[in-house]
Amino acid sequence: AQSVSQHNHHVILSEAASLELGCNYSYGGTVNLFWYVQYPGQHLQLLLKYFSGDPLVKGIKGFEAEFIKSKFSFNLRKPSVQWSDTAEYFCAVRSLSSNTGKLIFGQGTTLQVKP
Amino acid sequence: GAVVSQHPSWVICKSGTSVKIECRSLDFQATTMFWYRQFPKQSLMLMATSNEGSKATYEQGVEKDKFLINHASLTLSTLTVTSAHPEDSSFYICSARPVTGTDYGYTFGSGTRLTVV
Repeated sequence: AQSVSQHNHHVILSEAASLELGCNYSYGGTVNLFWYVQYPGQHLQLLLKYFSGDPLVKGIKGFEAEFIKSKFSFNLRKPSVQWSDTAEYFCAVRSLSSNTGKLIFGQGTTLQVKP
Repeated sequence: GAVVSQHPSWVICKSGTSVKIECRSLDFQATTMFWYRQFPKQSLMLMATSNEGSKATYEQGVEKDKFLINHASLTLSTLTVTSAHPEDSSFYICSARPVTGTDYGYTFGSGTRLTVV
């Protein structure tokens, strides 16, 4: 079955530490990939997306992600986290073969950054 | 940028009553909107795809007679939870995708917290 898996459910880091959140998907064919962030009490916001081209994608707030097709992965990274990065992070996949445009989300990762 | 307005932001209703949630794209047109349900500390589960001028497409396991979706215009989709029960209490989120222009992804509403008592 098609699915999106985020390995880390809850991550706790100190400020200035580096971050990497894993995301793997199990779709065949061409996909579009997204990372969203949900700050406490707020709606989902797009961090970055990958459609095609350079597999290293840079997003807002210093985040980046690398698409590795052979590993079906799209891991999110940030070299130095801040307390304000405390939030819920969701990886999402859109399969272009389905033509519905629907996004399927991973389980989410709660990031807690300690000051 | 694209903005999606969702209303109400929270609602409390009695068991057995129906509740309507609205999702509006404020500055763009959307032929397709999506409705998600999010349980506490969990991910967004896609409930259905709302298509302007046609029937919604429901995900497996979602009761279409219970969660009525209407997408009457290019800027408005509504989700009605009929005969609500406490187990329907959840956070409902809509998202919309622009009809034209650069495909920059999806814009999400701020969500509706439904509590059925």
